[in-house]
This record gives sequence, structure tokens and C-alpha cells, in this order.
Amino acid sequence: KAGVTQTPRYLIKTRGQQVTLSCSPISGHRSVSWYQQTPGQGLQFLFEYFSETQRNKGNFPGRFSGRQFSNSRSEMNVSTLELGDSALYLCASSFLGIEQYFGPGTRLTVT
Amino acid sequence: SQKIEQNSEALNIQEGKTATLTCNYTNYSPAYLQWYRQDPGRGPVFLLLIRENEKEKRKERLKVTFDTTLKQSLFHITASQPADSATYLCALGGDSNYQLIWGAGTKLIIKP
Repeated sequence: KAGVTQTPRYLIKTRGQQVTLSCSPISGHRSVSWYQQTPGQGLQFLFEYFSETQRNKGNFPGRFSGRQFSNSRSEMNVSTLELGDSALYLCASSFLGIEQYFGPGTRLTVT
Repeated sequence: SQKIEQNSEALNIQEGKTATLTCNYTNYSPAYLQWYRQDPGRGPVFLLLIRENEKEKRKERLKVTFDTTLKQSLFHITASQPADSATYLCALGGDSNYQLIWGAGTKLIIKP
């Protein structure tokens, strides 16, 4: 089975812009979770989607949003980018929402 | 609030020895605990899951213990190899909530 794929792998944006990241889960997995990882904060949970519905949400501002499509592919959007949004954004898919299978991540740099 | 603690300092182990990593938690009663491995610039890779009613689980050279009284899990790598060098993360979960709570990870360095 193909693994989780994320696009793009690297992104450089300017403060104030918005960005959309994409994630394609493992075939058959209906749960997709998004995480932000920074050296100082570790893995921070953003949100989880299961069968197109947001099932859980972390403590991030409303600038961070996501959605899941009928084929389980997911996107996350960050509006009005801030310097502090620079991080590795990881997507993970799961069959039941327990064991997580991560993609390679998108490295976002905000200047 | 819920808290997970892993050794923030890197753990240096001689090749061939057993590496033991610790995961402690407070203010939480997890239904299961997971261990992941993460290499630099890559996403974490799932290694093992242990449930609250299990004391120990093994997979090849890996062993995990789970003590819900002490609120602690130990992760062992026997006959360690330089290729085992990575950051190891523990994560807690409950069956009623699919959100995992993650530790910050411990960097393991196996020296030849």
C-alpha cells in the first residue's frame, strides 16, 4: 500500500498570506489528523477528520482550518500567516483513529 | 491538566547494550499508550501499542511495559544498534476520544 503523501513538501510564504496544505491518506483509512511540530513545542494536535466530519480539534486559533473530502483526502488552511506559524506540518492517517501513520510533512517557513 | 514527560536530555548508549526510555504521565487515565520513532525531517513511525490491561508487549528487539499505578511506560531496545538512533515519542489515548496526547520525545544516540 502506498503511504501517506503530503504536498507540497516545502513552502515559503510571507506574513499575512494564506496557505493550503494537502494530505492523501493510506487507502482505506478514513481518519486524518493534522499536527504542527516545532522544536520547542513538540507535536501539537490541530484537528482530526473522520468520514468528512471534524471529530476533534486542538487549541489553535480559528486561522487554522481544515476539511476532508469524500475520498478521505484532506486539506488544511492557515490564513493571515504569522512568523510563529513556521513549522513542520504533519498529516497522519488511521483506520480507526488509534495507530497513526504519518506523511513526510510540509515544512512551512513564514518570512 | 494532562501532562506527559519524557527525558528531555539525549540518551547515549553503547552499541549492543539495552536502551531504556521512560514516559511518565499525570492527570490522565489512558486506555492505551503508543510509542513512535522519528528521524530528523521525517514524520513519526508507529512502533508499538499497549493497552491499559496489558503489562508488557514485545516486538522483535523492542519491549514496552505499562504500569497504570505508577503512571509510567518503559520502552526497551535490546542489542541496540547505531541505526536505532532517533527520537522516540510516546503518546496516550483514550477510547472515548481519538485525540492522542504526545510527549516531547527523547533523543536516543547509539554509539558504535
